[in-house]
Amino acid sequence: DAGITQSPRHKVTETGTPVTLRCHQTENHRYMYWYRQDPGHGLRLIHYSYGVKDTDKGEVSDGYSVSRSKTEDFLLTLESATSSQTSVYFCAISEAGTSPEQYFGPGTRLTVT
Amino acid sequence: SQQGEEDPQALSIQEGENATMNCSYKTSINNLQWYRQNSGRGLVHLILIRSNEREKHSGRLRVTLDTSKKSSSLLITASRAADTASYFCATAIMNTGFQKLVFGTGTRLLVSP
Repeated sequence: DAGITQSPRHKVTETGTPVTLRCHQTENHRYMYWYRQDPGHGLRLIHYSYGVKDTDKGEVSDGYSVSRSKTEDFLLTLESATSSQTSVYFCAISEAGTSPEQYFGPGTRLTVT
Repeated sequence: SQQGEEDPQALSIQEGENATMNCSYKTSINNLQWYRQNSGRGLVHLILIRSNEREKHSGRLRVTLDTSKKSSSLLITASRAADTASYFCATAIMNTGFQKLVFGTGTRLLVSP
């Protein structure tokens, strides 16, 4: 898990509460990504960042927001968690947008009750 | 809609046997990548094959790509118990200087001693 940490690793929260997941990297890579992994869907891109304060939406961005105030940190926020957001969330990084591979963090298992 | 679909969904073999898993996709791609995910961990990049390549080798891994059929296969030779994991194909599509990865649903490989 090449210099990528995610916190928390597990979280249980109630419907309607805000939740923030953190991704921290020590590789100084420019691009960072948030994915969610659900059975039968593989990994789906939520948001990505191509630099400090530069972010864009992925294919399943509804209900999520992100922020990147420093190169090393990428935050994913669920403003009002819903049960459909129960999932495993992965952060990934790459050197450039055209880099051939992405490096993944260990994941955060989020349960919304 | 899902870009990559792996087949089979699950595969159970004995140590020493070869494991073959397939990936089909729908649109033109820049490259295709295979990732491995051990239980409870993040994804790890295994191998990349570009759209103008037909076959690639890396250690015990062999990847083929048939762009006319929009399909790829991953062969793991002389499998080991440590190869037990889920394997995902990811198709890379270039979009305004950004390489978007679209993941399939994965093949769960179980290698028994």
